[in-house]
Amino acid sequence: EIVLTQSPATLSLSPGERATLSCRAGQSVSSYLAWYQQKPGQAPRLLIYDASNRATGIPARFSGSGSGTDFSLTISSLEPEDFAVYYCQQRANWPLTFGQGTRLEIK
Amino acid sequence: QITLKESGPTLVKPTQTLTLTCSFSGFSLSTSAVGVGWIRQPPGKALEWLALIYSEDDKRYSPSLKSRLTITKDTSKNQVVLTMTNMDPVDTATYYCARRGVWFDYWGQGTLVTVSS
Repeated sequence: EIVLTQSPATLSLSPGERATLSCRAGQSVSSYLAWYQQKPGQAPRLLIYDASNRATGIPARFSGSGSGTDFSLTISSLEPEDFAVYYCQQRANWPLTFGQGTRLEIK
Repeated sequence: QITLKESGPTLVKPTQTLTLTCSFSGFSLSTSAVGVGWIRQPPGKALEWLALIYSEDDKRYSPSLKSRLTITKDTSKNQVVLTMTNMDPVDTATYYCARRGVWFDYWGQGTLVTVSS
C-alpha cells in the first residue's frame, strides 16, 4: 500500500497570502496524484488531477506540481472560500489511498 | 448533469450487515472504463477508499476490508450497492459514493452511518 503523508497538518494563513501544501508518497506514483478540497459538511471536490491539471471549473489560483514521490498544491492568493481541508490521493497502485489531510485555516 | 446519491440506514447495530445504495444519473455504467467507488470518512478523520466497480464488472476492494465488503451494480437501474458485514462502532462514518472516470470527479453528498447498540 502506498502511504501518502501530507504536511503540514494545519496551515494558518491570511486571505491574500500564498499557500503551499505538500504530499509525499512512500514510493513513486509517477504523476498519478490528485488533490481534493473538502469544506465542512460537504463532499470532497476534485481540484487537481495527474499532479498538475486543474479540474473543470477550478480557478487558476490553484496549481499543482511534482512527480514521483513529492507533490505540492499551491494557492497563489487565498480567498475566504479556500479555507478548508485538502487531501491528496494516488491511483498508481491498488489500493487507492488518500493522505491524512491538511487543514487550511484563517490566521 | 451528473449526480449521485447514497441511501441506506443511518443506524446499525454491532455485528449487523450494512447495505448502502448509490443511485446515479447523468452517466452510464455500461460506458467503458467508467466506475463507481465507495469512500468513507469517520467523524473528524481522513478519507478511506473502500471499493470500486467498473463497467466491465471488474471489482476492487480495500485489502484491509476485503473480507467484509461486496460491491455490485445494476446497470439498468443506475445503481451500485455496497454491503459491509459484521459492523462495528469503529465503522461509524460518512459513506460517500463517487464516479470514477479516471479520478473521483463526481461525489454524492454522503450518508452518515452510526454503529451502536
